[in-house]
Amino acid sequence: DTGVSQDPRHKITKRGQNVTFRCDPISEHNRLYWYRQTLGQGPEFLTYFQNEAQLEKSRLLSDRFSAERPKGSFSTLEIQRTEQGDSAMYLCASSPRGGTRSYEQYFGPGTRLTVT
Amino acid sequence: AQTVTQSQPEMSVQEAETVTLSCTYDTSESNYYLFWYKQPPSRQMILVIRQEAYKQQNATENRFSVNFQKAAKSFSLKISDSQLGDTAMYFCACSHTNAGKSTFGDGTTLTVKP
Repeated sequence: DTGVSQDPRHKITKRGQNVTFRCDPISEHNRLYWYRQTLGQGPEFLTYFQNEAQLEKSRLLSDRFSAERPKGSFSTLEIQRTEQGDSAMYLCASSPRGGTRSYEQYFGPGTRLTVT
Repeated sequence: AQTVTQSQPEMSVQEAETVTLSCTYDTSESNYYLFWYKQPPSRQMILVIRQEAYKQQNATENRFSVNFQKAAKSFSLKISDSQLGDTAMYFCACSHTNAGKSTFGDGTTLTVKP
């Protein structure tokens, strides 16, 4: 069990550029979540997958945001035409299948995005 | 919709002392879970303790315990024998059983002083 990994850890981009982040969950976990965390606040839910199906998407996720989990393993989060308000830490989490522990989320280290 | 409120932005405690962090929540669901997560400075978030709403008994994990008051929708975290490594931001979260996502509070920054 190597834990949840995210790549890159830091990204600086200019306004208007597109960025893509990757998350690799714990291998036996079938649920994967994306959250956004700004300084001094708790994580805000963006979207979640069960296997390859995207089951829920927050209203926070504008049409500039898209997430995929093509084979039910790793996931990507893409932000198109970035804006300064997109600057935040993007967190990925995964949880195991079935049972009461399926509600426990294991977080990755996050990708810190800075839009200049 | 769920909401989670942590009314203490910052707290401090002396090493070896006990501290209690407060959390209130609101949910219309009958089946849900409550969590406390710890986020040390520049490190990733980890689960500290979990409480199933249908269980009356308060959860404990070593030095960490909760006081779950379902009617009052209150879920506080008690840390006994505080250690320097407990310095972190602590988030209270709620997840209902029909959805995977969690709703988080805005956190309490805890500093343990030597």
